[in-house]
Amino acid sequence: DIVMTQSPDSLAVSLGERATINCKSSQSILYSSNNNNYLAWYQQKPGQPPKVLIYWASTRESGVPDRFSGSGSGTDFTLTITSLQAEDVAVYYCQQYYRSPCTFGQGTKLEIK
Amino acid sequence: EVQLVESGGGLVQPGGSLRLSCAASGFTFSDHYIDWVRQAPGKGLEWVGRSKNKANSYAIEYAVSVKDRFTISRDDSKNSLYLQMNSLKTEDTAVYYCVRWRSGAADYWGQGTLVTVSS
Repeated sequence: DIVMTQSPDSLAVSLGERATINCKSSQSILYSSNNNNYLAWYQQKPGQPPKVLIYWASTRESGVPDRFSGSGSGTDFTLTITSLQAEDVAVYYCQQYYRSPCTFGQGTKLEIK
Repeated sequence: EVQLVESGGGLVQPGGSLRLSCAASGFTFSDHYIDWVRQAPGKGLEWVGRSKNKANSYAIEYAVSVKDRFTISRDDSKNSLYLQMNSLKTEDTAVYYCVRWRSGAADYWGQGTLVTVSS
């Protein structure tokens, strides 16, 4: 199985500041034939199911604020939230869908400092 | 409006069985992969398994942790996906989500149904 490892496990950022969450896969999830990285980012707020933010590593889902962005390729990926808002408090997960089983990172809990 | 509604959760003893259902609406069910994803209390997300779409012959895939105990099936005439869970263990206790996939993302999630395995 492809192991997804997120860092840090938790993060406290001041309102209006930048939050950066990293995700590393145990093998490349870049599919060379289409140059797509098979990685998505999800946000989960308490008591709610996850919501997709980013797919193909850097494509923002429709309706997601542009302060959320994804980057990276191969095995190393980053979710960046510029200008943190109070409503961004949540747990964030990365997921690879390059190969079954589609594995998730362990999650990163984002809080307000 | 796309909707996924899970049902069938509850309390079951270790070694018991339970069948979850996922009722879908608002989209062409046969066009999409549908996954089961679970989340143990206070823990992260774990992919359980998948039913691929009609174009991929409805192939089924499972996580190693549930293979040979869980069975996924679907009935496109009812726009429904099922998860038959046998030989349940305490570590199967979780909220089970039904999830729709489109190209590149799990874009719709149900609200989940709680399965508790306890004596």
